[in-house]
Amino acid sequence: AQSVTQPDARVTVSEGASLQLRCKYSYSATPYLFWYVQYPRQGLQLLLKYYSGDPVVQGVNSFEAEFSKSNSSFHLQKASVHWSDSAVYFCALTGTQVVGQLTFGRGTRLQVYA
Amino acid sequence: NSKVIQTPRYLVKGQGQKAKMRCIPEKGHPVVFWYQQNKNNEFKFLINFQNQEVLQQIDMTEKRFSAECPSNSPCSLEIQSSEAGDSALYLCASSLGGGRAETLYFGSGTRLTVL
Repeated sequence: AQSVTQPDARVTVSEGASLQLRCKYSYSATPYLFWYVQYPRQGLQLLLKYYSGDPVVQGVNSFEAEFSKSNSSFHLQKASVHWSDSAVYFCALTGTQVVGQLTFGRGTRLQVYA
Repeated sequence: NSKVIQTPRYLVKGQGQKAKMRCIPEKGHPVVFWYQQNKNNEFKFLINFQNQEVLQQIDMTEKRFSAECPSNSPCSLEIQSSEAGDSALYLCASSLGGGRAETLYFGSGTRLTVL
């Protein structure tokens, strides 16, 4: 069975601070990993994804994530957050059962204050 | 920005009533997914299509839920007899298909409340 765990339900940071949102996964084969963001009253938007190669992947809006096979992690990072980054962030992976079917974590709600 | 269009935005039904929601996938995307997101941010895959054919669906979908993606018409998801536990955000997503690394493009969802 596959699973994704986001251990922090809420994270609060001040504008301009650095950010790390944690994601741990459990999957027996090579994981295909994603970070999505959900703004209020909107659907999910892809930030970045990893499936091979350089373990550090760059995404939209200056987000990046680092894949670690040894730690079974795919943490999301940003050097300097803006108030508009306030949203819910979801880590997800795809398995082999259904192409494109995502297993999501429970999300981390990010609040950026001025 | 995603161009997956979902209607209606909000849907309120009584228990036992039918609830129907629609989705227009992004142009050129042959694969369509339906997910249920509950208030605890738990996602449940419901069903997916490639063109008009069902690829996979879960047991819940097979019993009370029906879905279709006719050619040249919006896709739809219908709950035949709504239950309180069906209250959730229903998300439609589309993709080009092709593999596990494929990006899903999500609509804004239909929020169903079952009274």
